[in-house]
Amino acid sequence: DAGITQSPRYKITETGRQVTLMCHQTWSHSYMFWYRQDLGHGLRLIYYSAAADITDKGEVPDGYVVSRSKTENFPLTLESATRSQTSVYFCASSLAGENTEAFFGQGTRLTVV
Amino acid sequence: AQTVTQSQPEMSVQEAETVTLSCTYDTSENNYYLFWYKQPPSRQMILVIRQEAYKQQNATENRFSVNFQKAAKSFSLKISDSQLGDTAMYFCAFTPPRGGADGLTFGKGTHLIIQP
Repeated sequence: DAGITQSPRYKITETGRQVTLMCHQTWSHSYMFWYRQDLGHGLRLIYYSAAADITDKGEVPDGYVVSRSKTENFPLTLESATRSQTSVYFCASSLAGENTEAFFGQGTRLTVV
Repeated sequence: AQTVTQSQPEMSVQEAETVTLSCTYDTSENNYYLFWYKQPPSRQMILVIRQEAYKQQNATENRFSVNFQKAAKSFSLKISDSQLGDTAMYFCAFTPPRGGADGLTFGKGTHLIIQP
C-alpha cells in the first residue's frame, strides 16, 4: 500500500535496552522526520533527513540515533532506553521544495519500564 | 528559533456552533508556511489547512478557515457549523521557507470537544 507506515504500533521495553522504530514510505519523498509527542509539549522534532545519507539533529536528539541508507526507510534507534523516552513517536515525510505538506505515519507508542 | 503558542489547552462548544482556535508565533523570517493539523483519537495527524505567509488572502477549506494577521503574528482557525467528528486535538505548526527541510515547529495543541 502506498503511504508511510511505522512499526511497531506499540512497544514496551525495559530501561537500558536498545530499541529501533521503523519508518517506511512509498512516495520517494526526499525529506523524512521523526517527532515525539508528549502531553503538554505537542510534537517536537528529534531528527530529520533531507536525502539518503543526509541527517541532522532537531530539537531533542539526545539518546537517539538515525540512519538513512535508502530513501524510503528512516529508522530511529534508542541506544539505551530511559523512562523519559516513553512517548508517542511519529515519522513523517514530505517532498522537497516549497510544497511543504508533511504526511505522518500512524505513530508508535513506546513505553519504557 | 521559531516558537508557536496555543493559549487554549481545551475548548468545548455545542454541535453546529462556530469555534475559533488561537495561535501565535514568533519568527524573524519574512516568508514561511503555517499549518493546522487535526489529531483525532485514532492518533493520525491530518492536515486541515495551510497558509503561505506571502499570500494576503486567508486560506479556506470547506468549513475551516483561518484569520492570518502577519503583523501580529497570529494564525487562528475558525471551524463553522462544528460537527461531532471535529472533536480532536488541533495543532498549529510553522515551517520556514527552506523547502520544508527543517521540519515543523508545533504548538502544544488545543483539545477541542464538540458536545451533542
